[in-house]
Amino acid sequence: NAGVMQNPRHLVRRRGQEARLRCSPMKGHSHVYWYRQLPEEGLKFMVYLQKENIIDESGMPKERFSAEFPKEGPSILRIQQVVRGDSAAYFCASSPAGTREKLFFGSGTQLSVL
Amino acid sequence: QKEVEQNSGPLSVPEGAIASLNCTYSDRGSQSFFWYRQYSGKSPELIMSIYSNGDKEDGRFTAQLNKASQYVSLLIRDSQPSDSATYLCAVTSFTGGGADGLTFGKGTHLIIQP
Repeated sequence: NAGVMQNPRHLVRRRGQEARLRCSPMKGHSHVYWYRQLPEEGLKFMVYLQKENIIDESGMPKERFSAEFPKEGPSILRIQQVVRGDSAAYFCASSPAGTREKLFFGSGTQLSVL
Repeated sequence: QKEVEQNSGPLSVPEGAIASLNCTYSDRGSQSFFWYRQYSGKSPELIMSIYSNGDKEDGRFTAQLNKASQYVSLLIRDSQPSDSATYLCAVTSFTGGGADGLTFGKGTHLIIQP
């Protein structure tokens, strides 16, 4: 009974490159959330998705960031033309259908931009 | 702008004592309250949820909620060194129409001294 799976665990990119972070929710979960955590900062909500739908992207930066959760396959958080300020831990969480409250988090992807 | 405030600490407590962690929130419409534990370099883990005023006990953990004062706390009895972690308070509210995600505080770093 696998939990929320995120990969890669660590990702190093140079400025200007693209970063793709993947998340597979827990079995039976249909809601996916992406959060960003900066050092000494709390978790900041970025985007909430269901299969093939972006429900709430109010926490996403307007440029360079996008997210998807296709009918088949994992959810993808994509960061284009990365800058050093994008360096952070990116956590994915999932919850069962019918609730948006009890989140189960993946182990996160630590993005480092050189 | 919904805000969740926590003292960042570190909060140092001797082993066997009671650790008391506090959290205030700004949105009076908040309905659900959660405590997550996050070990260094790891993902947040849900340890308590509370929805109505009063106390809720689960093992050594007690969550307390006072909606009138917009205050939620977590008590850890018989503190153990393994309780040393950052504790994140999270609040959610559903005001209709949107898909409000959890709003997290920055967390309180708890250290249990052997």
